[in-house]
Amino acid sequence: GQNIDQPTEMTATEGAIVQINCTYQTSGFNGLFWYQQHAGEAPTFLSYNVLDGLEEKGRFSSFLSRSKGYSYLLLKELQMKDSASYLCAVREGDYKLSFGAGTTVTVRA
Amino acid sequence: IAGITQAPTSQILAAGRRMTLRCTQDMRHNAMYWYRQDLGLGLRLIHYSNTAGTTGKGEVPDGYSVSRANTDDFPLTLASAVPSQTSVYFCASSEEVASGSSTQYFGPGTRLTVL
Repeated sequence: GQNIDQPTEMTATEGAIVQINCTYQTSGFNGLFWYQQHAGEAPTFLSYNVLDGLEEKGRFSSFLSRSKGYSYLLLKELQMKDSASYLCAVREGDYKLSFGAGTTVTVRA
Repeated sequence: IAGITQAPTSQILAAGRRMTLRCTQDMRHNAMYWYRQDLGLGLRLIHYSNTAGTTGKGEVPDGYSVSRANTDDFPLTLASAVPSQTSVYFCASSEEVASGSSTQYFGPGTRLTVL
């Protein structure tokens, strides 16, 4: 089974940087995903990590340390539209994704 | 259409009634999934299907059933709805189950209220 922890809420100022941490415990790690979910909408894919290290995609980066069971999502140059929930999800085995409860990020002007 | 569609968008249902939530994808993805999302609990897998003709139980399958007669459709049925099934239900699909990089794509969701 999974135990995925991420902070409930974070607040940051427009133009700033925010780091969302995710820790997990799993018996069969096969990749970690980050999704963005705006209020009332479906989750949308942001990033995928399966090997240790940093994956960069424009303003968003995701880091993974498999030995520590730890990942973070880094959001740079925050914009108001980045206000959303960010979901950490771990794949265990072939197909199953287990999600954390999500981190609500509020960007203030 | 492109992607995943779900119907209805929202529904209010009396307890004890039968309800089927519909999900259709046009991406020819092998795998499909049903999740429920509740405040503070995140997304939880109800049922999944690796390919047409096969289904499996997820984390919270009780009270729900699914079928996968073809690649595109994956309906979720509540045989006798109870108030604890009040939730937002998301259908998702992915290209290959066994691929580590396979991404799940989500439908717009169905907001279900059971009274």
